[in-house]
Amino acid sequence: EVQLVESGGGLVQPGGSLRLSCAASGFTFSSYGMNWVRQAPGKGLEWVSYISSSSSAVYYADSVKGRFTISRDNAKNSLYLHMSSLRDEDTAVYYCAREPPRDYHFDSWGQGTLVTVSS
Amino acid sequence: QSALTQPASVSGSPGQSITISCTGTSSDVGSYNLVSWYQQHPGKAPKLMVYEGDKRPSGVSNRFSGSKSGNTASLTISGLQAEDEADYYCCSYAGGRTFNWVFGGGTKLTVL
Repeated sequence: EVQLVESGGGLVQPGGSLRLSCAASGFTFSSYGMNWVRQAPGKGLEWVSYISSSSSAVYYADSVKGRFTISRDNAKNSLYLHMSSLRDEDTAVYYCAREPPRDYHFDSWGQGTLVTVSS
Repeated sequence: QSALTQPASVSGSPGQSITISCTGTSSDVGSYNLVSWYQQHPGKAPKLMVYEGDKRPSGVSNRFSGSKSGNTASLTISGLQAEDEADYYCCSYAGGRTFNWVFGGGTKLTVL
């Protein structure tokens, strides 16, 4: 069974930093591209970042470019999102989502971790 | 990249069919047959229902179907059931130079 489990969320002050993790199991992690998608309270979904299976390609939404860094450790079956210079508008539930090889959709999602940016 | 446009809400009675539209531009929905649809129940993670316009993942009911015409994609749910009540989001690949995905604002489906 595919499982994605996010962790690392919490309360952080504006301008602060936080690192999210996503632990993967039940599939060959190193074969899949991975994404972060977020959802502000009461709002819709927003794609945040993508990393290819080998980490050779990474992409970011304009809203987080230069502030967030996506990475992965295939030996540890783990995905990360390092967030810095956090703003109020980054408050959201952050989901990690799997992307099948050569496909362009998200076929498995974690349960999400809440990040609250507030003073 | 602007969000795709979905109706805020739709409703239907059990057994009926409903259609949710998702309007984009020639840079996203119109350029790629890569629209996917997600169902989200309150407090839960999104679930993939349709991908590449009209394909269903294993385990998803054939009551869910997708289509596309020009810059507009649609999700049709036939034989509405109470458990279909949820939020639905469309998503399109909008790659090319910028390589990104764009979501719709979401549609709240109410089963009357």
